[in-house]
Amino acid sequence: GNSVTQMEGPVTLSEEAFLTINCTYTATGYPSLFWYVQYPGEGLQLLLKATKADDKGSNKGFEATYRKETTSFHLEKGSVQVSDSAVYFCALLGGGSARQLTFGSGTQLTVLP
Amino acid sequence: DVKVTQSSRYLVKRTGEKVFLECVQDMDHENMFWYRQDPGLGLRLIYFSYDVKMKEKGDIPEGYSVSREKKERFSLILESASTNQTSMYLCASSLLTLRTGGPRTEAFFGQGTRLTVV
Repeated sequence: GNSVTQMEGPVTLSEEAFLTINCTYTATGYPSLFWYVQYPGEGLQLLLKATKADDKGSNKGFEATYRKETTSFHLEKGSVQVSDSAVYFCALLGGGSARQLTFGSGTQLTVLP
Repeated sequence: DVKVTQSSRYLVKRTGEKVFLECVQDMDHENMFWYRQDPGLGLRLIYFSYDVKMKEKGDIPEGYSVSREKKERFSLILESASTNQTSMYLCASSLLTLRTGGPRTEAFFGQGTRLTVV
């Protein structure tokens, strides 16, 4: 079946540091890949997505590239801000007629001023 | 904008009570989902529905049931609440996923219901 393995947290960085959160997946067919973000006390919001190999999703300075050869979708940001403190979830939607997302375990990011 | 609304942000119930968690979406989405979120375990799918009166079990359906009488509303039911069902519950909806090609759509989430069973 489908699965997502996400970098263990928590991650603590200073403001303006470089961020990488690793995500690898196992899936049948040709999945779509997503990063969601959850701010304290809120539900999940879509951060970015990529629907085919070599696609790069980007939003709010975050980027992730769909790498089929390494089955990875690592999240990166060049310079984090305090407001980026949140939990980040990698997810996939399996190929074919799949309807439900499969999520990683989430990575807590704390950015210190 | 898509809006997914869960009826309560916080809920406290007693062991053995029957609990209803309600979710409504306003974008005519076919698919609706219930997840629970626990520290270190991420999001786990309880049930989902791809049409009115249709439902499918997710990864952890035990102790739960669901109801979808109208397209916009998806209810999660805890028949007899237990303390191990204390958790954050998240509802989501999405458009029908196309079988071949075309855009793959993401899911949109409600704000969550933090349920405590005492």
